[in-house]
Amino acid sequence: DAKTTQPTSMDCAEGRAANLPCNHSTISGNEYVYWYRQIHSQGPQYIIHGLKNNETNEMASLIITEDRKSSTLILPHATLRDTAVYYCIVRPPEYGNKLVFGAGTILRVKS
Amino acid sequence: DAGITQSPRYKITETGRQVTLMCHQTWSHSYMFWYRQDLGHGLRLIYYSAAADITDKGEVPDGYVVSRSKTENFPLTLESATRSQTSVYFCASSAGPVYGYTFGSGTRLTVV
Repeated sequence: DAKTTQPTSMDCAEGRAANLPCNHSTISGNEYVYWYRQIHSQGPQYIIHGLKNNETNEMASLIITEDRKSSTLILPHATLRDTAVYYCIVRPPEYGNKLVFGAGTILRVKS
Repeated sequence: DAGITQSPRYKITETGRQVTLMCHQTWSHSYMFWYRQDLGHGLRLIYYSAAADITDKGEVPDGYVVSRSKTENFPLTLESATRSQTSVYFCASSAGPVYGYTFGSGTRLTVV
C-alpha cells in the first residue's frame, strides 16, 4: 500500500469549508484513494473514494491532483457534528480488500 | 432492520475465559472484517473474510479465531482472553474490493 501523510490536526469555523489534505506521493496507477471519518466512540464511516477523477457525493468532494500524488477532501459547509478523525487511505482493489488505517487528521469544527 | 449489528455492545470477562463477539450484516456483502482499536495504536485489522468459508489473517490475528459458515455472520472468538485484548472491536462489511466499508457500532471488551 502507498503510504499517506496527513496533518495531525486542523481547525475549521462552523459554516466554512473544511479542506483536509492528504499526500500520497508513492501511489501506484491502480490504487484508489479512500476517505473515512470516525466520530468519537463510533465506528468509522465511509465518506468517498476515487481513482483519477474528482468525485462528489452528498457528504463531501474529493479532489485528486493530476499526478495523483495528493488529494483534498472538502466538506463544503462544516458543522459541529463534522468534528472527527479523518482517515485518508490508498489501496489497490486487489489488495484482499483490506484497509489499513493510519493516524488520520483530527478536525475540530468550532462555532 | 438493514445494516450491520454487533453484539454485545459491552462485555466484561475474566482472564482465561473464552468469549465470542458477534457480527451480523443484512446486505449479503461478500467481505467482512474485524478490527480492534486501542489508544496509541489506532485501528488494526485482526481477520477478514472474502466469502463464506474463506478467512484470512490481518495484522494482529494471534489469540483470535474466526469462522464464516454463513455470508451474513462473522463471529470473532477469543479462545483464552488476556488483559491485552481489552479493546474496542469493530466489525465491517463491504460489497467488493472497490467499495467502501460499512462499520458496526463496536463492542467494548474489558478483560479483568
